[in-house]
Amino acid sequence: EVQLVESGGGLVQPGGSLRLSCAASGFTFTGSWMTWVRQAPGKGLEWVANINRDGSEKYYVDSVKGRFTISRDNTKNSLSLQMNSLRAEDTAVYYCAEPSISWGQGTMVTVSS
Amino acid sequence: DIVMTQTPLSSPVTLGQPASISCRSSQSLVHSNGNTYLSWLQQRPGQPPRLLIYKISNRFSGVPDRFSGSGAGTDFTLKISRVEAEDVGVYYCMQATYLVSFGQGTKLEIK
Repeated sequence: EVQLVESGGGLVQPGGSLRLSCAASGFTFTGSWMTWVRQAPGKGLEWVANINRDGSEKYYVDSVKGRFTISRDNTKNSLSLQMNSLRAEDTAVYYCAEPSISWGQGTMVTVSS
Repeated sequence: DIVMTQTPLSSPVTLGQPASISCRSSQSLVHSNGNTYLSWLQQRPGQPPRLLIYKISNRFSGVPDRFSGSGAGTDFTLKISRVEAEDVGVYYCMQATYLVSFGQGTKLEIK
């Protein structure tokens, strides 16, 4: 069974940091580009970042460039998102996805003082 | 950036009747490898997105055959042949030819 399980969300103050993790199983992780997508409360889906199969190419939405870093560990079938300098507008449910195969359940990130 | 535009944004449908959602991309979604990475997602209230259709017309595992996808290039359609109560939710088109982007979402509700 294909599974993506996110962890690491929570409440953080503006300017703070958080690291999200995603454990993948049931498909060939090393053969897949991976994606982080977020959804602010009551809003639609927003692409955040992509990483290629070996981690050598990374792409970000403009609003997170310089603050977020996507990475992967192919030895552990895991994906991460390091989020620094967090802002209130980063508040959202964050989904790990191989968009054409599977989506995780999401992890909530709340940025508030 | 690829902009995805869905119509309608809201679709009240009678149970048992068909429903159709359109999605248009700002440029062709044909990848250099010949594939078109256009998918449809369903998001039921309080749930994460669920993949329904990938590469225009391929139903994902476990998706009922009342869901179908069609289109080419920049114009795509999701059709539900007979709407059931469990189909209520928001539907998104998604392209993954050039990174990833989503349509605004179409809210399907029962009349």
